[in-house]
Amino acid sequence: GAVVSQHPSWVICKSGTSVKIECRSLDFQATTMFWYRQFPKQSLMLMATSNEGSKATYEQGVEKDKFLINHASLTLSTLTVTSAHPEDSSFYICSARRRGSSYNEQFFGPGTRLTVL
Amino acid sequence: GENVEQHPSTLSVQEGDSAVIKCTYSDSASNYFPWYKQELGKRPQLIIDIRSNVGEKKDQRIAVTLNKTAKHFSLHITETQPEDSAVYFCAASIGTGGGNKLTFGTGTQLKVEL
Repeated sequence: GAVVSQHPSWVICKSGTSVKIECRSLDFQATTMFWYRQFPKQSLMLMATSNEGSKATYEQGVEKDKFLINHASLTLSTLTVTSAHPEDSSFYICSARRRGSSYNEQFFGPGTRLTVL
Repeated sequence: GENVEQHPSTLSVQEGDSAVIKCTYSDSASNYFPWYKQELGKRPQLIIDIRSNVGEKKDQRIAVTLNKTAKHFSLHITETQPEDSAVYFCAASIGTGGGNKLTFGTGTQLKVEL
């Protein structure tokens, strides 16, 4: 159990367009989902924490109007990169925390490779 | 906030040798310490974790030790194999609330040479 999926796995878009990435917990309910960004040869950097039914909490330096997060259900969170630019090209990974878990064990999605031309 | 340091950044070992990766954390309230293995272009995979109420945990060739006094924890891989080659990340988390986040170390590139 504890499978997290992401869609799409990769996307190429033109500068100025918006891209939506979906994160789903397939076999469990996730009260909290997390969105990370990972640049080549670097660590995972948390962008925001998403709780079902409430507004996301963004990390310092992450523009909430540029990275729109919606967590509409206990199994789905979406990240929309608005007006994407080449510097937004990165590997975006979501993770989900199982409802009722007592520690912060997170299950990761396979990631989405975004390339902005 | 929490700060996690990880060393070394790269580690090369011969097949069959042991590998040790060390992490230190800053916030004494941290109580959950997972280790992830990430292959190129893939998701981080949890390989072992430890909670603050134990000092050591072992799972076959992998073990983790925790020293709360010194605020450091280590990953030990014995009898390394080529398929152990990957980037390893440590992380630390505070509390048990739903929104508590993981703070990651900077990663260790492990290469197991034949």
